[in-house]
This record gives sequence, structure tokens and C-alpha cells, in this order.
Amino acid sequence: ELKVEQNPLFLSMQEGKNYTIYCNYSTTSDRLYWYRQDPGKSLESLFVLLSNGAVKQEGRLMASLDTKARLSTLHITAAVHDLSATYFCAVDVNSGNTPLVFGKGTRLSVIA
Amino acid sequence: GAGVSQSPSNKVTEKGKDVELRCDPISGHTALYWYRQSLGQGLEFLIYFQGNSAPDKSGLPSDRFSAERTGGSVSTLTIQRTQQEDSAVYLCASSLQGALYGYTFGSGTRLTVV
Repeated sequence: ELKVEQNPLFLSMQEGKNYTIYCNYSTTSDRLYWYRQDPGKSLESLFVLLSNGAVKQEGRLMASLDTKARLSTLHITAAVHDLSATYFCAVDVNSGNTPLVFGKGTRLSVIA
Repeated sequence: GAGVSQSPSNKVTEKGKDVELRCDPISGHTALYWYRQSLGQGLEFLIYFQGNSAPDKSGLPSDRFSAERTGGSVSTLTIQRTQQEDSAVYLCASSLQGALYGYTFGSGTRLTVV
């Protein structure tokens, strides 16, 4: 059974600081997705990572995928309050033929 | 439509009653998924429809839960004899076949069983 583990689950960070969220998964996959969820809202797609070594950047967020290590990272640079949200990674192990398996999410709070 | 539409957005029901939740996926998306998100938790897979294939029901937590998808479009998730532990946000998502670029989620139905 595929396991997807995120850490940390809770993160409180100061504005302007950098931090990394980790997503480990237990079986071979070369498709990984990051989503953002604001309180009371649905999930919004952030990044699609489709190969080993893939790196995507959007603003202060950068995601990468190491399929050999079964690890994806979401790096936050110079955090701002607007980044406060819950971030989920999700793994596809069967080329879209089975549902994505989600991590438990990382609840990020950026404080002044 | 332009996005995945779910209704109702909120539902409060008495324990023991049946409820129906509706999902209208993006036009042309052949795959449709139901997930459940309990307070402060991640997403729990419930059921998956792909085209005309038999649905993957492996995530349904009990036989009180069922879902159908009519005409390859709209889907209804039915929960019979609701229990308090069924209280959660039920999220629907859709994708093109193969889901290469992931899913588009609806805004969810918040179900409260009292």
C-alpha cells in the first residue's frame, strides 16, 4: 500500500524566512503534485512534477522531485503572510489509472 | 462548465437520514473522483469513475455509501442512515483521462450530522 508522508505537519514561520516542506512516498512513482488549500476552500493546483529531477517555481515557492529518493520538496523563500495555507502533496503510482494518494498536509502559518 | 460544481455547499442532517451530494465535473473530463476530508485531516479516497469502466469503489468506508455517475457526467454520492462520523467535507474532482496534469477540485460539500 502506498504511503505518502509529509513533514512537518504544522509549521509556523516568520515573514522573510526560508523553509522546506518534505514529501516522502513509499513506492515507485514519477508523477507528483502539490496543492494549496486555504481555510474553508477547496484545493488549488500548484505544481505538476512529471520526471526525476523536475523543478518548478512560482513566485516564492519552488518544488522539486527526486524519484530515486522517493522525495519531493516544496521550498519557501522569504515567506509572506499570503502563503499561509495548507499544502498537500499527492502521488500517482499508476499513470493516472488509480486515484492520487494524498499526504496529510502541512499547515503553514506565516507570522509577522 | 468552467469548473467542477458541487451542491449543496453545506448540508446539515439528522442522524439516520439519507443524504445525496452532487458533483458536476468539467465538460469533457472522463474521470471523476470523490474524496472525504475530515476536520484537520488529509484527503481520504472514496470512489473513482473512469469513462464507461466499472467504478473503483475500494475506498468506500461502508455499504451505507454508494455513488453513481449518469451519462458519463454528473455524479451523485449517497450516504444512507448517516452517522455522526460521516461529518466531513466531501470533495469531488475531475480530470482528463490519464490525469497527467492532476485534478481540478470542486469547492466541496460540508456535511454535518447532528
